Amino acid sequence: KNQVEQSPQSLIILEGKNCTLQCNYTVSPFSNLRWYKQDTGRGPVSLTIMTFSENTKSNGRYTATLDADTKQSSLHITASQLSDSASYICVVRGSQGNLIFGKGTKLSVKP
Amino acid sequence: NAGVTQTPKFRVLKTGQSMTLLCAQDMNHEYMYWYRQDPGMGLRLIHYSVGEGTTAKGEVPDGYNVSRLKKQNFLLGLESAAPSQTSVYFCASSYRGGGRGIAEAFFGQGTRLTVV
Repeated sequence: KNQVEQSPQSLIILEGKNCTLQCNYTVSPFSNLRWYKQDTGRGPVSLTIMTFSENTKSNGRYTATLDADTKQSSLHITASQLSDSASYICVVRGSQGNLIFGKGTKLSVKP
Repeated sequence: NAGVTQTPKFRVLKTGQSMTLLCAQDMNHEYMYWYRQDPGMGLRLIHYSVGEGTTAKGEVPDGYNVSRLKKQNFLLGLESAAPSQTSVYFCASSYRGGGRGIAEAFFGQGTRLTVV
């Protein structure tokens, strides 16, 4: 069964600190993986996409990594800001083209 | 550029009532999707459409119907609302994305529906 598991479920960090969010998937064959940011009361917005040939990709303070062999991805946030408080969702495109969503990690950045 | 617009944003229904959620996109996307998001769950696909006049069932289609009479609009209908349909509903759209399926899905702001 195609699944996407994210950890931790929630995370609280102080402003300025770094953090890393994890995503493990069992989707096969694999096409691509996206990280989305969802602010409270808003729809998800794409941060970055990873294809099977890419190991790391950065978007400002966000850096995503992908290990297609172990089927793991991580999202690293550097020098966190209060505006980073949101849910971060890992989404994998499945074998039939459908999008499979993880449950998300809820990040709270405190001053 | 409005992107993906959902109406209404909030709604309270009584059990058994019907309603239609409207999704409109101005990006000329071929694909459109309806998802529901429940607390502690990932987004789950209700129905989707790969083009005007076509619809298909997703992961959780029961109790919902959809129509895509125009390319820019995708309607989600609840014929007889049940408390189990209390959720936040998101519409999304995307280009076909080619063989690698890398098309990004753009989401609306959501509709919070409560069925009492």
